[in-house]
Amino acid sequence: KAGVTQTPRYLIKTRGQQVTLSCSPISGHRSVSWYQQTPGQGLQFLFEYFSETQRNKGNFPGRFSGRQFSNSRSEMNVSTLELGDSALYLCASRKDSGKRDTQYFGPGTRLTVL
Amino acid sequence: GDSVTQMEGPVTLSEEAFLTINCTYTATGYPSLFWYVQYPGEGLQLLLKATKADDKGSNKGFEATYRKETTSFHLEKGSVQVSDSAVYFCALLHGSSNTGKLIFGQGTTLQVKP
Repeated sequence: KAGVTQTPRYLIKTRGQQVTLSCSPISGHRSVSWYQQTPGQGLQFLFEYFSETQRNKGNFPGRFSGRQFSNSRSEMNVSTLELGDSALYLCASRKDSGKRDTQYFGPGTRLTVL
Repeated sequence: GDSVTQMEGPVTLSEEAFLTINCTYTATGYPSLFWYVQYPGEGLQLLLKATKADDKGSNKGFEATYRKETTSFHLEKGSVQVSDSAVYFCALLHGSSNTGKLIFGQGTTLQVKP
């Protein structure tokens, strides 16, 4: 069974630009969550999507947004990029058949903002 | 709010040494607890999990027991190998709602020397 895939793996942008990252969950998984990983703040939850609806949101500014499609694939968008947005962005999927489902992570997208 | 605290690293051990990485948590209710491992340049891999008090998770020689009385989930391995060198994250998932929001500790870097 294929794992969670994320594209692109690496991205370089300049301040003020916007970026879109993509995540394809494991087949049959209906929930997708996004996390930001930085050396200073560690792993922080961005948001979670289920059935094309945002179910949960972390404490990030409105420049960070996401969506989920009917096939459960998800995208996240960051507008007006800042230097501090440089990070590894991780996507995780779970089946969402119960409260204790395990989340499986993708390899991440490394975003560098210059 | 919920939180996870891990022992600070880096932890440096010789091959075949005993490993303990401490993890304590603060949460209401009965969270599920996880250990994830991150190898250089990769995403997070689930190492083991426990969903209720006194559960023991185990995988690849690693073990951790969910101790509600001490709010702890310490990771142990009897004999580490060079290939275990990685960053280890303790995480919790709140048990009272169907959310995918994982709360992570700051991570502990393990370096195993031959």
